[in-house]
Amino acid sequence: EDKVVQSPLSLVVHEGDTVTLNCSYEVTNFRSLLWYKQEKKAPTFLFMLTSSGIEKKSGRLSSILDKKELFSILNITATQTGDSAVYLCAVDNYGQNFVFGPGTRLSVLP
Amino acid sequence: DSGVTQTPKHLITATGQRVTLRCSPRSGDLSVYWYQQSLDQGLQFLIQYYNGEERAKGNILERFSAQQFPDLHSELNLSSLELGDSALYFCASSGTGYSYGYTFGSGTRLTVV
Repeated sequence: EDKVVQSPLSLVVHEGDTVTLNCSYEVTNFRSLLWYKQEKKAPTFLFMLTSSGIEKKSGRLSSILDKKELFSILNITATQTGDSAVYLCAVDNYGQNFVFGPGTRLSVLP
Repeated sequence: DSGVTQTPKHLITATGQRVTLRCSPRSGDLSVYWYQQSLDQGLQFLIQYYNGEERAKGNILERFSAQQFPDLHSELNLSSLELGDSALYFCASSGTGYSYGYTFGSGTRLTVV
């Protein structure tokens, strides 16, 4: 059965800290790995990663994929209170559906 | 506004009842996905429709069913509701070919009392 594991499940930091969120996966047919941010309601898309070793960046967020070791990390530098959310990792198993991890709940304190 | 519309936003109903959740995908998207998110749980895939046909099925209970209509909107029917069915139900849509992630609707929060 396809599986996505995230760690830590919850994290509390102070503004300005740098955080690293982890995602590992076991899927039979890997197409891509995606990161989403979920605040109050709908998850919003952050990154899609398909190739190993290529970092995707958007402002203070960045992510990289290791297809050999089957994991990805999401880094957030200089965290702000607005970064408080649940960060979801998902794997696209060739279009049938996305398999989501449980999420990491990040709380950024002022 | 993501372009994916879900109604109603909130629903409170009693055990044993039946409800229908509605989703209108983003304009031009042919695929609709339904996910369930319970308290402290990740998103659990229920079912996918593509252009009116069922494409993939997840751990969807037999009490649940869905369909996608010719105008591409989709409905998720939940019957014989139990307390454990209380959750956020998300609809997501994607376009043809390889899409860069889903676009999620804002969800329907179902509370079964």
